[in-house]
Amino acid sequence: AQSVAQPEDQVNVAEGNPLTVKCTYSVSGNPYLFWYVQYPNRGLQFLLKYITGDNLVKGSYGFEAEFNKSQTSFHLKKPSALVSDSALYFCAVRDGVAAGNKLTFGGGTRVLVKP
Amino acid sequence: DTGVSQDPRHKITKRGQNVTFRCDPISEHNRLYWYRQTLGQGPEFLTYFQNEAQLEKSRLLSDRFSAERPKGSFSTLEIQRTEQGDSAMYLCASSPSTGPNSPLHFGNGTRLTVT
Repeated sequence: AQSVAQPEDQVNVAEGNPLTVKCTYSVSGNPYLFWYVQYPNRGLQFLLKYITGDNLVKGSYGFEAEFNKSQTSFHLKKPSALVSDSALYFCAVRDGVAAGNKLTFGGGTRVLVKP
Repeated sequence: DTGVSQDPRHKITKRGQNVTFRCDPISEHNRLYWYRQTLGQGPEFLTYFQNEAQLEKSRLLSDRFSAERPKGSFSTLEIQRTEQGDSAMYLCASSPSTGPNSPLHFGNGTRLTVT
């Protein structure tokens, strides 16, 4: 079975400061990892993905994520947060060898960037 | 690319009534997914289609729920004899290939309120 944990319900950060949103995962095969963002009353928007290769993945809107196989983590980062980054962030995993092709999502982390 | 379209955006119904939601995926996408999201939680997988074939159903999908994709294009999700616990956001997503590295593209969801 595949699973994702996002240990923080909410992250507060001042505008201009670095932002980190944590994610750990569990899969039986190779992990395919994704980050999504959700604004109020909207669907999820894809930010970035890790498939293989470089452990640091760059995505949309200045976000990046670092894959750490030994710690089974895929933390989302942004060097300088904007007020407009305030939203709900979801980490998701897909097991590369398991049957089916569904994404399993974490419970989400609310990010609040204060001016 | 018009994106994934869901209709209606909001639905209010009385307990015991039947409701049906529609999803139009991105036109060249052959995989279509349904997820359910309750307030403050991550999306939970319900079911997915490869073209017109329904390949996997979650245990969350009770016998009151049925999904179809008759021509491999749009999909419908029907809930019979609605219960208050069915109140949630129902999200549809599509993806262009069977590979594990393809992100899902989400619609803006249908918010169901059962009174």
